[in-house]
Amino acid sequence: QVQLVQSGAEVKKPGASVKVSCKFSGYTLIELSMHWVRQAPGKGLEWMVGFDPEDDDTIYAQKFRGRVTITEDTSTYTSYMELSSLRSEDTAMYFCAMRGNYKGAGFDSWGQGTLVTVSS
Amino acid sequence: SYDLTQPPSVSVSPGQTATITCSGDKLGNKYVCWYQQKPGQSPVLIIFQDNKRPSGIPERFSGSNSGNTATLTISGTQAVDEADYYCQAWDSSTWVFGGGTKLTVL
Repeated sequence: QVQLVQSGAEVKKPGASVKVSCKFSGYTLIELSMHWVRQAPGKGLEWMVGFDPEDDDTIYAQKFRGRVTITEDTSTYTSYMELSSLRSEDTAMYFCAMRGNYKGAGFDSWGQGTLVTVSS
Repeated sequence: SYDLTQPPSVSVSPGQTATITCSGDKLGNKYVCWYQQKPGQSPVLIIFQDNKRPSGIPERFSGSNSGNTATLTISGTQAVDEADYYCQAWDSSTWVFGGGTKLTVL
């Protein structure tokens, strides 16, 4: 069973960047791929970025392209999502999630979420 | 961009069958997943590959997908099933979520 543990809540000013971490265990990198999903207060789920194993490349939702970066430290089994040029609309819960690398697989493991608040 | 449309809310009486739809252009040609999210919790995958249940998901949850509509069916709905439900599909190298449906068990 995959376990995902995210970093704690953040408060940032507009224009700043935030870096959220997601520590994973219980699986091998070959079998699963990491994604990031956010949820604004009272709103639905919004996929941001993730890894496409078929193309062996990072994929982005158009609205986040150029503003979001994901990295992985395989030595510590930690994934990071950095969002730059923050604005108030980026206030949300940010989740990391993992899916199996086969067609039709869903995001079957989720972190507990990291609340990012953007306020001046 | 690809859109998935869900009804904002569905109500059902305990023990009855709840049906939640998800509509998108030629959705039947794509795999659909469904997630359940309760207040203050992370989403939980309840259906993948249109109609398969992960280990631990009760049999009362089932899914189908044909034409332009995917459907999540909850048979014998229980009070514990009251939650938000989201559909998800893959299109043009992006993952798309539906807007979510709030299921109320009256």
